[in-house]
Amino acid sequence: AQKVTQAQTEISVVEKEDVTLDCVYETRDTTYYLFWYKQPPSGELVFLIRRNSFDEQNEISGRYSWNFQKSTSSFNFTITASQVVDSAVYFCALSGPSYNTDKLIFGTGTRLQVFP
Amino acid sequence: DAMVIQNPRYQVTQFGKPVTLSCSQTLNHNVMYWYQQKSSQAPKLLFHYYDKDFNNEADTPDNFQSRRPNTSFCFLDIRSPGLGDAAMYLCATSRPTGTHSNQPQHFGDGTRLSIL
Repeated sequence: AQKVTQAQTEISVVEKEDVTLDCVYETRDTTYYLFWYKQPPSGELVFLIRRNSFDEQNEISGRYSWNFQKSTSSFNFTITASQVVDSAVYFCALSGPSYNTDKLIFGTGTRLQVFP
Repeated sequence: DAMVIQNPRYQVTQFGKPVTLSCSQTLNHNVMYWYQQKSSQAPKLLFHYYDKDFNNEADTPDNFQSRRPNTSFCFLDIRSPGLGDAAMYLCATSRPTGTHSNQPQHFGDGTRLSIL
């Protein structure tokens, strides 16, 4: 069975602090994909990153970085120098290999509040 | 800009009165998804269409139906809404490449449904 666990329900930080959101996944597939989505208060889900199971390179995009470790089945997300606009719910998601669908298994989300 | 558009943004209906939510896309993606998201929970997949092929999730209640008259449009029909159906409904699209290379889903802004 596939499962995504985001143990942190809510995190509060002050602006300019670094913050790491944890994601642990379970799957029996050897090929799989991991995603992070951001859901601001307005409600839409915004795609942030996709990583496949064969690519364990860490990725950095501006203030965002992702650490993928297959040995611990984790795909953690770090925001450096957080800003108020980063306040949102962040979802980690898992997808198995498929030809005709990109179905996602979502974690329960982590609500990040960044205070000025 | 190419996008996923959901109308209306907010919908109020009466207990037991049928309601239809709509989603349109200009991305020309062949897969469209409907999710239900209740407060402080992860999105839950209700069903998806691959072109005209309808795929229902096993635990989606019969009260929820969907129609996809063409590539661009997809509708969610709730035949007899109950109080427990109050939620945000998210539409998403993707374009599987058919090469085990799962693509990100693109989400609309959602329709928040209230039941009186």
